[in-house]
Amino acid sequence: DAGITQSPRHKVTETGTPVTLRCHQTENHRYMYWYRQDPGHGLRLIHYSYGVKDTDKGEVSDGYSVSRSKTEDFLLTLESATSSQTSVYFCAIAASGGAREQFFGPGTRLTVL
Amino acid sequence: KQEVTQIPAALSVPEGENLVLNCSFTDSAIYNLQWFRQDPGKGLTSLLLIQSSQREQTSGRLNASLDKSSGRSTLYIAASQPGDSATYLCAVSNSNSGYALNFGKGTSLLVTP
Repeated sequence: DAGITQSPRHKVTETGTPVTLRCHQTENHRYMYWYRQDPGHGLRLIHYSYGVKDTDKGEVSDGYSVSRSKTEDFLLTLESATSSQTSVYFCAIAASGGAREQFFGPGTRLTVL
Repeated sequence: KQEVTQIPAALSVPEGENLVLNCSFTDSAIYNLQWFRQDPGKGLTSLLLIQSSQREQTSGRLNASLDKSSGRSTLYIAASQPGDSATYLCAVSNSNSGYALNFGKGTSLLVTP
């Protein structure tokens, strides 16, 4: 299995509180991604990173920010959580060049009350 | 915007049957296509990746084909087993958005003994 961990694995929080999710990889891959998975919508891209300090927005980036200060860590922050951000969040990694196969972390289940 | 559709949404078959899952996409300018398996409450496991220049890939009882010009892929599962029961996701990447994946909503497969 690709070396990807996510923390926390489960979190319950209240509306209006800030939340940070962490993705950690041991593969030294250049690309990292945050997706959310919701019933009826499937998986959708939130943000991605193509290197340290290099990030860009995805399809559903409103209300989210990201940071990548080290190759191995990609943080997703909900500045002020809302109930619509209740979801399962997946981190993925991919090498640059070649097939660019993506490997996924185990996910974080976030509930915003 | 790339749209990915998977048919059928759900499928139930008796053990031992061969089956085909279908995936279609609207923009043929893909970089690669991946098939994933997802068990309930779990993360995504990469099954097969087909690069845009390839026509098919095989792994054990699984065979995936790609017809890029028509925007179609199929996942063939031979001699199905109850352990194959899961949701199967098709995803395509383009060279924009950091080669992020656009996902279909999946086919939920149940193989009955």
